[in-house]
Amino acid sequence: AQTVTQSQPEMSVQEAETVTLSCTYDTSESDYYLFWYKQPPSRQMILVIRQEAYKQQNATENRFSVNFQKAAKSFSLKISDSQLGDAAMYFCARSQGNLIFGKGTKLSVKP
Amino acid sequence: ETGVTQTPRHLVMGMTNKKSLKCEQHLGHNAMYWYKQSAKKPLELMFVYNFKEQTENNSVPSRFSPECPNSSHLFLHLHTLQPEDSALYLCASSRGLAGGQETQYFGPGTRLLVL
Repeated sequence: AQTVTQSQPEMSVQEAETVTLSCTYDTSESDYYLFWYKQPPSRQMILVIRQEAYKQQNATENRFSVNFQKAAKSFSLKISDSQLGDAAMYFCARSQGNLIFGKGTKLSVKP
Repeated sequence: ETGVTQTPRHLVMGMTNKKSLKCEQHLGHNAMYWYKQSAKKPLELMFVYNFKEQTENNSVPSRFSPECPNSSHLFLHLHTLQPEDSALYLCASSRGLAGGQETQYFGPGTRLLVL
């Protein structure tokens, strides 16, 4: 089965610091899409950032950026200037038709 | 967030009950999805509908029965569930399927407990 692996079940970061969440995936395709979703304690999952695999340039969205390494099948999320509102579950997902999700990383932000 | 709404937010049911979960999207999307989210497991895709037609049934037991009367509404009918079916059920929508490039927008979920 083609999988998405998030090796860090939990992470913690100090407010205003930077944290990187890791994600690796398995695929035999050359064209696909990658996503990071955030699920705050209220449970509504929202899109943080997406990356098209055919684009070499790493996606950025304000304080959120990715490090996409296609050959290594790695798609990490960097959160800069962490804020208390960033505390949530973060899910990495790969799409080839349907979304395949990782198990998630729980991020805590310390004031 | 009001783009995708789900009711009820919480549901407790016995194994012999019949209940339904409702999802409504206000985004003008054509594709809708049901996912199951259990603790310490990845989200599991259950069903996909595109333009009211079911395009995916991910080997879901027949005690879960989806219904999509139009592109804005999606139901999940539940009957004779098992305790292991207790989970958070998430609905999502997207503009279309488009080979998976479309961003999915999620509802807040229904927390289901089967006793």
